[in-house]
Amino acid sequence: GENVEQHPSTLSVQEGDSAVIKCTYSDSASNYFPWYKQELGKRPQLIIDIRSNVGEKKDQRIAVTLNKTAKHFSLHITETQPEDSAVYFCAASRGGGGNKLTFGTGTQLKVEL
Amino acid sequence: GAVVSQHPSWVICKSGTSVKIECRSLDFQATTMFWYRQFPKQSLMLMATSNEGSKATYEQGVEKDKFLINHASLTLSTLTVTSAHPEDSSFYICSASYQNTEAFFGQGTRLTVV
Repeated sequence: GENVEQHPSTLSVQEGDSAVIKCTYSDSASNYFPWYKQELGKRPQLIIDIRSNVGEKKDQRIAVTLNKTAKHFSLHITETQPEDSAVYFCAASRGGGGNKLTFGTGTQLKVEL
Repeated sequence: GAVVSQHPSWVICKSGTSVKIECRSLDFQATTMFWYRQFPKQSLMLMATSNEGSKATYEQGVEKDKFLINHASLTLSTLTVTSAHPEDSSFYICSASYQNTEAFFGQGTRLTVV
């Protein structure tokens, strides 16, 4: 089955700096890669996703890059703000959001003033 | 966007009793729903795939007789934790997808077994 690894497990940045979280996956048939932000006790919130037919996607301060050959994808957050502090999870699935997701282990992001 | 609602948000039960958690898609029909479990400071782990009108598909290591799943309609899936024990205390989250776009998650159920 699919295995998704995520690094780092914790990340502390100064407000205004950039944050990068990386994930690798094992199943070459995976073609949908979402990123979620989860606050304590809450449901995961989709912040951006990418499908395997593109290499990069951007939405304001958030971007995701995908390298299918190397089977890794990364989340980039620019101009970080304190409200970006949360746990971030990457995930992978075959066939889109309607299929089961395999999650990474999570990254605790802390944005310091 | 599509809404998935989960009930209850939290529940405390005594060891040995059973607890039912409901997951509803409020504004769309979902032939497939997913149940995840999340222990404190850990990731979400898929427990089972709930299929409308047929048996659920369980992930390896998940006891199907302990975690009963019923998906009797296109908008409702239920997860029953039978004979709950303290080690079953966790955050249970369901998800469903509208037209295979993205996964919509319920708000989660915090189960505490005492």
